[in-house]
Amino acid sequence: ETGVTQSPTHLIKTRGQQVTLRCSSQSGHNTVSWYQQALGQGPQFIFQYYREEENGRGNFPPRFSGLQFPNYSSELNVNALELDDSALYLCASSLGRSGNEQFFGPGTRLTVL
Amino acid sequence: GQNIDQPTEMTATEGAIVQINCTYQTSGFNGLFWYQQHAGEAPTFLSYNVLDGLEEKGRFSSFLSRSKGYSYLLLKELQMKDSASYLCAGVDNYGQNFVFGPGTRLSVLP
Repeated sequence: ETGVTQSPTHLIKTRGQQVTLRCSSQSGHNTVSWYQQALGQGPQFIFQYYREEENGRGNFPPRFSGLQFPNYSSELNVNALELDDSALYLCASSLGRSGNEQFFGPGTRLTVL
Repeated sequence: GQNIDQPTEMTATEGAIVQINCTYQTSGFNGLFWYQQHAGEAPTFLSYNVLDGLEEKGRFSSFLSRSKGYSYLLLKELQMKDSASYLCAGVDNYGQNFVFGPGTRLSVLP
């Protein structure tokens, strides 16, 4: 059984650019949630995908968008990057959408210059 | 609103017991998670309380009072490796929105 994986590990972009982050869920899990974690703070919920459909969204602007594929892997896309988007982006997978335990990936560290 | 509050930092001694508190607004939450996060690493699951009471799992225990909007994580026989951030997270009734607290950074001293 493989765990949650994310790519890339680190990424440097400039303001205004677009970025795509990827996540492979743990085997057997059909739900993926994305979080943004600024340094020294708790993760902030971005959105959740269940069986390829968005199943909830936090307080993030529309330039944060996502996809979930038939194999339950997922992408997070951020357009028009801002300096404040610099953070650790965490992906977590779980089974079902009823608040089950979430398993986190190692994260992608995004730096916007 | 769905605010979750935790102390920012705590310090304890190796071998001691420490209790990390978490308070939250009672409306909208259906369960409470505790996660451990070492610096530079992903959070790892510790416990999940959906009913009132104490859940014990080895050296770690977690307590929930839904009517009071209060939870705590109890760590016994502290070890140096327990130095980490401990995150309290609420789950809404639909499991759609996970709200994390700011995390409590615990330092275990020899």
